[in-house]
Amino acid sequence: DTEVTQTPKHLVMGMTNKKSLKCEQHMGHRAMYWYKQKAKKPPELMFVYSYEKLSINESVPSRFSPECPNSSLLNLHLHALQPEDSALYLCASSQDPSGQGSGFYNEQFFGPGTRLTVL
Amino acid sequence: QKEVEQDPGPLSVPEGAIVSLNCTYSNSAFQYFMWYRQYSRKGPELLMYTYSSGNKEDGRFTAQVDKSSKYISLFIRDSQPSDSATYLCAMIYTGANSKLTFGKGITLSVRP
Repeated sequence: DTEVTQTPKHLVMGMTNKKSLKCEQHMGHRAMYWYKQKAKKPPELMFVYSYEKLSINESVPSRFSPECPNSSLLNLHLHALQPEDSALYLCASSQDPSGQGSGFYNEQFFGPGTRLTVL
Repeated sequence: QKEVEQDPGPLSVPEGAIVSLNCTYSNSAFQYFMWYRQYSRKGPELLMYTYSSGNKEDGRFTAQVDKSSKYISLFIRDSQPSDSATYLCAMIYTGANSKLTFGKGITLSVRP
């Protein structure tokens, strides 16, 4: 299984709502990532988890809250979002051959994304 | 100067043409190089992954890396309409907290 899955595919939410995005992989990867992508732009890194621990937070506003409950799952909890947060949210995963939590150099496999619209 | 520069687009070619997509980079610490293909409103799909200078071939796709010139290319032979997508180069270096650095992407259209 070489797939990263994401749910839901589409999400529309109001600025006062609380929602969650989910990501799952069964490739045995120990690094998982959240990216945000606006139209006609490359993906922008938000968070990195390595061995279920948050290792990178790219100064993302606290209205985005990541969670890694186990090595296969990654969640992104959303609360009080703004319309400018509307984007494609991508999850990715990669191996860590070093086994030391620093191996972000392997190829990253992306999921199909969740298209989020904030009204 | 941005760390990764990618030829601007869009690019339109007739079916069957050879396509050359290029990126240059300034950080000599980059060691691993990737090309992603992204269809409209979908996630990026990893096409090629290389880590040494030279060529790597996979079907109609060839990835070329020239570390001395800090230049990478993706060649697509016998291009098909189904190759119409945005192509993103990406690269990363080994080390704690290293991050994938993307080019801006180029949109390719292959005309039947």
